[in-house]
Amino acid sequence: GAGVSQSPSNKVTEKGKDVELRCDPISGHTALYWYRQSLGQGLEFLIYFQGNSAPDKSGLPSDRFSAERTGGSVSTLTIQRTQQEDSAVYLCASRPTSTGPRETQYFGPGTRLLVL
Amino acid sequence: DAKTTQPPSMDCAEGRAANLPCNHSTISGNEYVYWYRQIHSQGPQYIIHGLKNNETNEMASLIITEDRKSSTLILPHATLRDTAVYYCIVRVAYTTSGTYKYIFGTGTRLKVLA
Repeated sequence: GAGVSQSPSNKVTEKGKDVELRCDPISGHTALYWYRQSLGQGLEFLIYFQGNSAPDKSGLPSDRFSAERTGGSVSTLTIQRTQQEDSAVYLCASRPTSTGPRETQYFGPGTRLLVL
Repeated sequence: DAKTTQPPSMDCAEGRAANLPCNHSTISGNEYVYWYRQIHSQGPQYIIHGLKNNETNEMASLIITEDRKSSTLILPHATLRDTAVYYCIVRVAYTTSGTYKYIFGTGTRLKVLA
């Protein structure tokens, strides 16, 4: 079946411009996560959506970052007034509905963002 | 949040067992340990998880110490395709909603040598 998809796969932008990154989770998955991975670094948690609950935004690095999830499916991560330090791979992951331990995250291929 | 500590890199000869350690000394009683790996330019891939018992699946084995402060991921017969960054992750529960957040460390870069 279809996995998590992200678009665009690559994005080059100029400093100060806004960018939107899109994530299409696996159908039926109610949990959605955004992570950031800078070059040579581990994954940094950004934000988490679960169903209709208020999202956990505790990982967003600044107020230039925001995300929304419409209709409990597609999510968009927006970075306003991009800075060079925002250059990274942005990964999205989804997970089925459950509170059990067996459900794992399924990751998309990521969007590689380069801010010039 | 519980954090994990892993060696930054390891080498392993092809066909030998790869043993990847992880320290999670501040883990709480209801927090699971997950392992994912990330092959170059791809998204992370689930390997295995456990709470306190040792676990085995078709990919790997997970050995968790009795005090749960550390664990070891074992790839029994490493192949060149196992070259990747391996992440040991603690899954933190949202006590009010019963759902979960995953805290990634910096991972171990495993290189399998021919």
